[in-house]
Amino acid sequence: GQNIDQPTEMTATEGAIVQINCTYQTSGFNGLFWYQQHAGEAPTFLSYNVLDGLEEKGRFSSFLSRSKGYSYLLLKELQMKDSASYLCAVRNDYKLSFGAGTTVTVRA
Amino acid sequence: KAGVTQTPRYLIKTRGQQVTLSCSPISGHRSVSWYQQTPGQGLQFLFEYFSETQRNKGNFPGRFSGRQFSNSRSEMNVSTLELGDSALYLCASSSAAQYQRLVLAKNEQFFGPGTRLTVL
Repeated sequence: GQNIDQPTEMTATEGAIVQINCTYQTSGFNGLFWYQQHAGEAPTFLSYNVLDGLEEKGRFSSFLSRSKGYSYLLLKELQMKDSASYLCAVRNDYKLSFGAGTTVTVRA
Repeated sequence: KAGVTQTPRYLIKTRGQQVTLSCSPISGHRSVSWYQQTPGQGLQFLFEYFSETQRNKGNFPGRFSGRQFSNSRSEMNVSTLELGDSALYLCASSSAAQYQRLVLAKNEQFFGPGTRLTVL
C-alpha cells in the first residue's frame, strides 16, 4: 500500500521561508512530485525529483532522499500568492499517490 | 497549446441517478487519469486510460467506470449515485502512461479545472 504523510497546515510571514516535509512508504518508487493547488482551482505542477538531491527552480526548491523516504519543498521569499495547498505525490510502478496536502497561509 | 478541459464544471444530481463527466486532454497527450478530491480524503486515484485501454484502477466500487475514445478524450461514469460521491472530480493528462517506466522521465500530469458534483 501507499502511505504519504505531510503536515496539515503551516503559516508563515511574507518574505520568509517555509519548508514542507513529506515522508512516504510506498511499494516501488518512480519519482516524487510537488503540486500547488489554489482554492477552487486545479493542481499545477511545481517540481519533480527522481534522484537524490536538491532541485531548484526560482523561489522553489525540492529535495529527495530515497533511502529515507523523505522529501521537502522549500518556498523562499514568500509572497501572498503562495497561499495555497501543496500536494506531495509519489509515483510507483503504475500510478500517482497523493498526500492529503499542506495548506500554507502567508500573512502580511 | 490549450489545456485540459472538463465538462460540465458543476453538476447537481440526486441519489440513485447516474452521471457522465467528460475530459479532453492536452493535444498530443494519450494518457488520461481521473481523480476524486474530497476535503477528508484528498486526491484519490480512480483510473487511468491510455490508447483507449484502462491501464490501472484505484480502490473504488464498480459504480465508477470510464472509457477513452480514439481521439484520447475520456468520459467517466458514476451510476447509482450516493451522497458520498459528492466531490471534485479531476482529470489529468500526460504524454505517456504512468505505468510506462521511462527512465528519469518526468511525464508530469496536467490537471483540468474539475467537475464539482453535488449529490442531494
